[in-house]
Amino acid sequence: NAGVMQNPRHLVRRRGQEARLRCSPMKGHSHVYWYRQLPEEGLKFMVYLQKENIIDESGMPKERFSAEFPKEGPSILRIQQVVRGDSAAYFCASSPRGQGSTNEKLFFGSGTQLSVL
Amino acid sequence: GENVEQHPSTLSVQEGDSAVIKCTYSDSASNYFPWYKQELGKRPQLIIDIRSNVGEKKDQRIAVTLNKTAKHFSLHITETQPEDSAVYFCAAATGFQKLVFGTGTRLLVSP
Repeated sequence: NAGVMQNPRHLVRRRGQEARLRCSPMKGHSHVYWYRQLPEEGLKFMVYLQKENIIDESGMPKERFSAEFPKEGPSILRIQQVVRGDSAAYFCASSPRGQGSTNEKLFFGSGTQLSVL
Repeated sequence: GENVEQHPSTLSVQEGDSAVIKCTYSDSASNYFPWYKQELGKRPQLIIDIRSNVGEKKDQRIAVTLNKTAKHFSLHITETQPEDSAVYFCAAATGFQKLVFGTGTRLLVSP
């Protein structure tokens, strides 16, 4: 049973380009969460998605950032027109159930390290 | 919203000593408190968690205590080993898994 898979592991973009980060949840998990970790800091919640639905995007910047979790395929975190401040590690996590669940264990992927030149 | 504070930011101990990391939270509705260990360049790994209906939980050398009245919880590592060296994060959550993380504690265990 593979864990949460993220790709790419490392992504280098120049300012103004687009970054696409992918996350495949663990088998049987239908809830995906994205977190951002700046250097020497903790993880900050960005967005919580179920298949085809965004449940909570309260941690997402209002501009340039978007996320989706289509019926088929991985969840995608998209950052348009990247700036140097977007450089960070982006972690995806998944769980089998979400709101109202008593099983709240979150399992994280290995992350994507985004570097903006 | 929830705010989680974590102390200390760094902790150095000798191998075999105990290490204690403390966290406080602000939202009395929070009911789930996991601890994650993160080694350099790697993913956060869940090492232990506790729910609000339990005051203490132990797993081998690791234990977590929760004081709901005071809104604080602590991680205790006994008989520390060099491989325990990492950054440890506490977190708190209400309802679904929108974890709010502390700022981390860098633990260094010297042989």
